[in-house]
Amino acid sequence: GNSVTQMEGPVTLSEEAFLTINCTYTATGYPSLFWYVQYPGEGLQLLLKATKADDKGSNKGFEATYRKETTSFHLEKGSVQVSDSAVYFCALSDPQGAQKLVFGQGTRLTINP
Amino acid sequence: DVKVTQSSRYLVKRTGEKVFLECVQDMDHENMFWYRQDPGLGLRLIYFSYDVKMKEKGDIPEGYSVSREKKERFSLILESASTNQTSMYLCASGSGKKNQPQHFGDGTRLSIL
Repeated sequence: GNSVTQMEGPVTLSEEAFLTINCTYTATGYPSLFWYVQYPGEGLQLLLKATKADDKGSNKGFEATYRKETTSFHLEKGSVQVSDSAVYFCALSDPQGAQKLVFGQGTRLTINP
Repeated sequence: DVKVTQSSRYLVKRTGEKVFLECVQDMDHENMFWYRQDPGLGLRLIYFSYDVKMKEKGDIPEGYSVSREKKERFSLILESASTNQTSMYLCASGSGKKNQPQHFGDGTRLSIL
């Protein structure tokens, strides 16, 4: 079946550090890939997405590239801020339709000033 | 702007009670979803609906039911609440179009005593 694996958290960085959160997936067919972010006390918000191989999604300084050969969609940011502290979820959409999402377990990120 | 509204942010109920969680979306979306979020497990799909009066089981439907009498409203029902149903519950909606993201409410933190 379809599955998503994220790097273990929590992750703690200093402000202006480089961020990578690893995400790999297993899927039949060609899923779309998403990163969602959950700020404290809120629901999930879409951060970025990519719908086919070699697509790069980007938003708010974050980037992720859909790598079919390595079945990965790692999230990166060159210089993190305190306001980036949140839980990040990698997800794939079920290629069979119905817009169902399969989520990774989430990675809690804390940025210290 | 897109809006998914969950009726309660926090809810405390007792074991054996029948519990209703309500969700309303204002985007005329076809699909609606209920997830539960637990630490280390990410989001797990309980039920989803792709049309009024239509529903399908997700990955963890046991102990839950749903109702969708109107397009904009999707209710999650705990028939007889148990302590292992203490969790964060997230509602989401989606257009049903391929590669489009889901939109989430702020969540209901439910405690069963």
